[in-house]
Amino acid sequence: QQQVKQSPQSLIVQKGGISIINCAYENTAFDYFPWYQQFPGKGPALLIAIRPDVSEKKEGRFTISFNKSAKQFSLHIMDSQPGDSATYFCAASRAGSQGNLIFGKGTKLSVKP
Amino acid sequence: EPEVTQTPSHQVTQMGQEVILRCVPISNHLYFYWYRQILGQKVEFLVSFYNNEISEKSEIFDDQFSVERPDGSNFTLKIRSTKLEDSAMYFCATKDRVGTGELFFGEGSRLTVL
Repeated sequence: QQQVKQSPQSLIVQKGGISIINCAYENTAFDYFPWYQQFPGKGPALLIAIRPDVSEKKEGRFTISFNKSAKQFSLHIMDSQPGDSATYFCAASRAGSQGNLIFGKGTKLSVKP
Repeated sequence: EPEVTQTPSHQVTQMGQEVILRCVPISNHLYFYWYRQILGQKVEFLVSFYNNEISEKSEIFDDQFSVERPDGSNFTLKIRSTKLEDSAMYFCATKDRVGTGELFFGEGSRLTVL
C-alpha cells in the first residue's frame, strides 16, 4: 500500500512531441504528489507538484493531471526538447510527512532531435 | 541559487568499516533527510531529522545507521559497519518548513563497499 507504481520504464520521444509518464498509488492517505527530474550524476530536483484538491496543474511545458478516484496521476511534457532527456520520478507522501517521499521506480526519457 | 552540499562525492571502503557522509544544508533550512538510491533503482527514504532528533525512519535505517548534526551546520549519516549492500548513492535533502516546502536534494555521495 506504500508503493507508487510508475510507467513506462523508458520512453523515447521525438523533439516537439508530448511525453507522458503515468503513476498510480493505493494509499489514500497520500496528499502530496511531486515529480522530480534527475540528470546523470545529479540529485533529484523538484519539477512540479500537486495536491489532491485540484485535477490539473500546469507550469510552462509541464502539466500534472490528477485523478483522485482512480488514484492516478501523470506528467505531460509538451513540446519535448532534447534538454528534457533525464530520468523522471513521481513520488507521494502523507499529510504531515512530506519529507518522507515514496518514489516510483523512474522513467528514463530520451528526446531525439 | 542556494544548494545542499554533500561530501565526499565518492567513497570506497572495505566491508565492515565505518563511513561518515556529510551534508551542509541550505542555511535557513530546519528539516533534514537522507535518501539512498541503489544503482538503477528508485530513490528510497532513510530518515528525517528535525530539532536534533529523528522524526521518522524507514525499515532500511537499522541500528547500523545513525544521524546527527554535531556542530549546528553539518548533518551527518554514519554507517557503523558497512555491508556490500550498502553500496549506493546517498542523497541529503533539506527543506525550510513542514508542509509543502520544497525538498532540495544534494548531488549525492556515492558509496562503494568492497
